[in-house]
Amino acid sequence: AQTVTQSQPEMSVQEAETVTLSCTYDTSENNYYLFWYKQPPSRQMILVIRQEAYKQQNATENRFSVNFQKAAKSFSLKISDSQLGDTAMYFCAFMKVNNDMRFGAGTRLTVKP
Amino acid sequence: SQTIHQWPATLVQPVGSPLSLECTVEGTSNPNLYWYRQAAGRGLQLLFYSVGIGQISSEVPQNLSASRPQDRQFILSSKKLLLSDSGFYLCAFRVTYEQYFGPGTRLTVT
Repeated sequence: AQTVTQSQPEMSVQEAETVTLSCTYDTSENNYYLFWYKQPPSRQMILVIRQEAYKQQNATENRFSVNFQKAAKSFSLKISDSQLGDTAMYFCAFMKVNNDMRFGAGTRLTVKP
Repeated sequence: SQTIHQWPATLVQPVGSPLSLECTVEGTSNPNLYWYRQAAGRGLQLLFYSVGIGQISSEVPQNLSASRPQDRQFILSSKKLLLSDSGFYLCAFRVTYEQYFGPGTRLTVT
């Protein structure tokens, strides 16, 4: 079974600084997808970024970027120029092709003014 | 564009009462549909998923059931709620390789 581990239950960062959230996963598959979701206090789950395992290039979406290390089965999220609105729970997720999505336990990020 | 709706937003029900949560999707056809439960401050637990009308797969044996009577409608039900059924319920749909979530239902069983 695929497992997703987020080893940082809570993190904090000063506004305008950079923070990196960690995620590791376990799989024997070669073709899969990885995701980061954001869940603000409203509890709406918002897709932040997606990475296809077959792509070597790390995905970026504005201030959000990932460091995908396939051999190490690591998928970290970097948030640059942190904003107060980035305060949320962040979930890492893994999905095999044509299979369901598995989530980590989440990291609670607080951006401090 | 694709949208997903869930209702009700909040629900308080006594133990032993029935439950029906509804989820509908617009703007796409034959999506994969999912029900998740999230306990307070925790991750998401997959409860059910459906790849088509009438096709339901259960991940965790429990007091709940799901049905998909129409292509873009997914219903989560229970005949008799337990205290342990309290939580935040999220419906989601998948398009190609991205999954999108509804706004969720906060269920409190008293």
